Amino acid sequence: GNSVTQMEGPVTLSEEAFLTINCTYTATGYPSLFWYVQYPGEGLQLLLKATKADDKGSNKGFEATYRKETTSFHLEKGSVQVSDSAVYFCALSPSGNTPLVFGKGTRLSVIA
Amino acid sequence: NAGVTQTPKFQVLKTGQSMTLQCAQDMNHEYMSWYRQDPGMGLRLIHYSVGAGITDQGEVPNGYNVSRSTTEDFPLRLLSAAPSQTSVYFCASSYDALASTDTQYFGPGTRLTVL
Repeated sequence: GNSVTQMEGPVTLSEEAFLTINCTYTATGYPSLFWYVQYPGEGLQLLLKATKADDKGSNKGFEATYRKETTSFHLEKGSVQVSDSAVYFCALSPSGNTPLVFGKGTRLSVIA
Repeated sequence: NAGVTQTPKFQVLKTGQSMTLQCAQDMNHEYMSWYRQDPGMGLRLIHYSVGAGITDQGEVPNGYNVSRSTTEDFPLRLLSAAPSQTSVYFCASSYDALASTDTQYFGPGTRLTVL
């Protein structure tokens, strides 16, 4: 079946530190991959996505590359800010008419 | 566009009461869905709809009913609330139900407590 595994949190970093949140997936076919972010008290919003192997999604300084050979979509940012504190969800959308599958989320706290 | 709206924002129910969580979108999206978010569990899909008149069950459908009589609205009904349904509920929509590349748009959530 389809599933997403992302690293357990919480993750606490100092401002300007490097961030990696690991995400691996299991899927049949050729899924699209997403990172969604949830700021405190809000709903989820799309951070970035990649729709085929070797694609790199990027937004707000965050990047993730769709690696089919390792079935991974790790989220990275070179220098985090306090405003990046949020919960990050990795998700996949299987090909065809099938709902989005989410990982359990990783809480990031950035301290000044 | 208002996007995806949800009402109410907060609700407290007693065990056995019924209520409807409202969800509406003004983006002419085909696909709509309901998730619940619980600590340590991430988001779990309750029900979804690929168009007006069509609904299907997700991962955790028990205790919830849905209908989709219009493209815009997708209400979630709790027929007899239980403490296990205490959660934060999110509605989401996307334009094309068949496109795996589509972005999902989420509402702000409803925080439900069942006593």
